[in-house]
Amino acid sequence: DQQVKQNSPSLSVQEGRISILNCDYTNSMFDYFLWYKKYPAEGPTFLISISSIKDKNEDGRFTVFLNKSAKHLSLHIVPSQPGDSAVYFCAAMTSGTYKYIFGTGTRLKVLA
Amino acid sequence: DADVTQTPRNRITKTGKRIMLECSQTKGHDRMYWYRQDPGLGLRLIYYSFDVKDINKGEISDGYSVSRQAQAKFSLSLESAIPNQTALYFCATSRTGGLYTGELFFGEGSRLTVL
Repeated sequence: DQQVKQNSPSLSVQEGRISILNCDYTNSMFDYFLWYKKYPAEGPTFLISISSIKDKNEDGRFTVFLNKSAKHLSLHIVPSQPGDSAVYFCAAMTSGTYKYIFGTGTRLKVLA
Repeated sequence: DADVTQTPRNRITKTGKRIMLECSQTKGHDRMYWYRQDPGLGLRLIYYSFDVKDINKGEISDGYSVSRQAQAKFSLSLESAIPNQTALYFCATSRTGGLYTGELFFGEGSRLTVL
């Protein structure tokens, strides 16, 4: 049973435009959410996180939005750059458990 | 040098063989994790450990065992490898205390092929 889902396996966006990656979760006990980026032949690297006490967190070109009632989060990348082409994973956790559950990933391709 | 080091990086083995994947870290983190990545399935948690005496099963622990030999070392074993354990395996660490961002630090991965 997949508790964290990324329903779009892939996404293509033109350079300079906005990339929106989506993630849904089913476990209402999750209260901390993270996004990771993964390049081929490398381990995932942390991008940005958000606690359930917030509905938005920004870090430069990256913004994560959390909609708790819909159990949905999204990652916005503005403007998108070719170097952003990678696989993006969302992850969720219940505070205090430190047990991170990841989604299936979305492959983003930013076209020059 | 990588803060989280996995060995071997690539391994091809046969069904029924015993395989150990090793992970060592220089970050001084207490928490360590093993994940596997499969196409279309993302990253799935196999085992995690919060200290040397604390081992926890993840989402898919069947067919795997782990050993936390020291704070810095966390090994994953496949006692009798089978082809559907062919995957990319990642070790990760996480800090405790301080300014906690929830960040996991991953190794570069170990690609295992079971024939």
